Amino acid sequence: SYEMTQPPSVSVALGQTATITCEGNNIGNKIVHWYQQKPGQAPILVISRDATRPFGIPERFSGSNSWNTATLTINRAQAGDEADYYCQVWDSNTYVFGPGTKVTVL
Amino acid sequence: EVQLVESGGDLVQPGGSLTLSCAVSGFILGNYWMHWVRQAPGKGLVWVSRISSDGTIINYADPVKGRFTISRDTAKNTLYLQMNSLRAEDTAFYYCAREPLAVVGYDYWGQGALVTVSS
Repeated sequence: SYEMTQPPSVSVALGQTATITCEGNNIGNKIVHWYQQKPGQAPILVISRDATRPFGIPERFSGSNSWNTATLTINRAQAGDEADYYCQVWDSNTYVFGPGTKVTVL
Repeated sequence: EVQLVESGGDLVQPGGSLTLSCAVSGFILGNYWMHWVRQAPGKGLVWVSRISSDGTIINYADPVKGRFTISRDTAKNTLYLQMNSLRAEDTAFYYCAREPLAVVGYDYWGQGALVTVSS
């Protein structure tokens, strides 16, 4: 089955840019979604289909996907962005989630 | 207002069975793809199963194939997950989630139901 890797943790200074990667073999040829999950809460979709922001998601969140790496970028990071972030890929009639990245805002 | 409410979570012995329900409101179940996703306490998200908007397409993750069955009752606007031959590794919060179209991601989730498999 398809597998992705994410860095376990990413730290970002308040107001700076956080970059979260999701690596997989030829992931650029697949559709990638990104979710944010805060403790005790259900996940929230922040990026759909590589780069589309759902309604209500700030423009500070953006996504890209090319070759072997999909990327979620959080510009002007805020304290409220502290959360776990998961990539999700559709492959061979199954969805697969990445292992998740914990983002800490310093 | 769109709402998804899971129920049926419980403590069950290994080898036992359990059925989860996901009652939805604020939208018509038959117009959306619906999924089950689970998360062991303190661990990551794991996709479990999906059913298409017209009910003709059903897929399962390999670890649950042959043991779990996804279904729905559109008249009751309720999604189900029947789980048989439960194992300790099935212990998790189980979320139902709505996908407006195939492969666009989940725009609404339930709050989760805890299934604990232990003797």
